[in-house]
Amino acid sequence: DTAVSQTPKYLVTQMGNDKSIKCEQNLGHDTMYWYKQDSKKFLKIMFSYNNKELIINETVPNRFSPKSPDKAHLNLHINSLELGDSAVYFCASSQLRGSYTFGSGTRLTVV
Amino acid sequence: GIQVEQSPPDLILQEGANSTLRCNFSDSVNNLQWFHQNPWGQLINLFYIPSGTKQNGRLSATTVATERYSLLYISSSQTTDSGVYFCAELETSGSRLTFGEGTQLTVNP
Repeated sequence: DTAVSQTPKYLVTQMGNDKSIKCEQNLGHDTMYWYKQDSKKFLKIMFSYNNKELIINETVPNRFSPKSPDKAHLNLHINSLELGDSAVYFCASSQLRGSYTFGSGTRLTVV
Repeated sequence: GIQVEQSPPDLILQEGANSTLRCNFSDSVNNLQWFHQNPWGQLINLFYIPSGTKQNGRLSATTVATERYSLLYISSSQTTDSGVYFCAELETSGSRLTFGEGTQLTVNP
């Protein structure tokens, strides 16, 4: 009964491939997020969805496309992967303006 | 956007010691949260503390919103407290949590 679950936990892929990361929350929250953590551990917002509507789209290459089929799910699809995309990607959820709960992260390595 | 500064960047303690981590903000504090990222990479929400003081076991946090800072106290530290501690502030719109760069804590046995 994990609150925010994301899959896969590890992803190793070659440059140029397309990959997806899935996220699901069972907390009944209305807002979901994708954060990227770089090699220096800095956490930066990528996307935010409130009630399935995109409310934040940071300066992220358009190779990254989020999709929220319903309030409990937010998936991240990445096209034409590059070496610089290697990072840990975290999904999170909250009520808007509320306390955040993070998933366990997906470590993406592009080789 | 809001700027979040954390200090110290690194901290090494002996088991049993106490410590204080600090977080300063460039703008008014509305929705301050503290997180612990353990050595396995999991991000755990420790406190949601826009103002005042809260305690949870050996950890407590105080936010002084008028002076734009928050403190995290760790008492009688244990090796399992090791990891990175982040503070983060929610922008007024409620749509974005901005993180500090973290404090790397190492507790030695």
